[in-house]
Amino acid sequence: QLQLQESGPGLVKPSETLSLTCTVSGGSISSSSYYWGWIRQPPGKGLEWIGSIYYSGSTYYNPSLKSRVTISVDTSKNQFSLKLSSVTAADTAVYYCARSIRLGELSLVAFDIWGQGTMVTVSS
Amino acid sequence: DIQLTQSPSFLSASVGDRVTITCRASQGISSYLAWYQQKPGKAPKLLIYAASTLQSGVPSRFSGSGSGTEFTLTISSLQPEDFATYYCQQPKGTFGPGTKVDIK
Repeated sequence: QLQLQESGPGLVKPSETLSLTCTVSGGSISSSSYYWGWIRQPPGKGLEWIGSIYYSGSTYYNPSLKSRVTISVDTSKNQFSLKLSSVTAADTAVYYCARSIRLGELSLVAFDIWGQGTMVTVSS
Repeated sequence: DIQLTQSPSFLSASVGDRVTITCRASQGISSYLAWYQQKPGKAPKLLIYAASTLQSGVPSRFSGSGSGTEFTLTISSLQPEDFATYYCQQPKGTFGPGTKVDIK
């Protein structure tokens, strides 16, 4: 069955760029039925959607993070990636990648398959 | 931007209780609301999407209803494995603040 796995550094210095990759296995990222997204969760807090991407490269971003976020896709590797620039301690969180269901014109109806999450700490 | 609120933020209940959680959207989102369950240290699990469609494999004691700006998640008979935090999510990505369901 389809699985998602996050990878990347667990520690990032303040003001630097956080980079994570999500590898999709057991299925193709190039499906017309899904978007692929990033969600994060600071310790002890709720879920925050960061952004999502279609296999064609079309993206949606959370307006509160849009100026610092870039999400890209590599269909040849069945991967998509997150870059978050100018990080601060407030960006310390568990970062999840997830698949989202499309229904009609809506691309983020629900996140049905999630990775296990990876903890990223921003600290010098 | 569409904002979501959930009530209550914390709920104490007993095994066998009927539990209802409400999610309100700041503007109408038709029937496009999803519900998730999250246990400590685990990724969220999709329970319901499109307000009332039960995700495959989710027990039938979970149900969802609503449209427009007000939605509810109901657990008909709370089981020990249902003690968790529940989140709603609107179709432009953002999540509600969560409702923690704890043991009375």
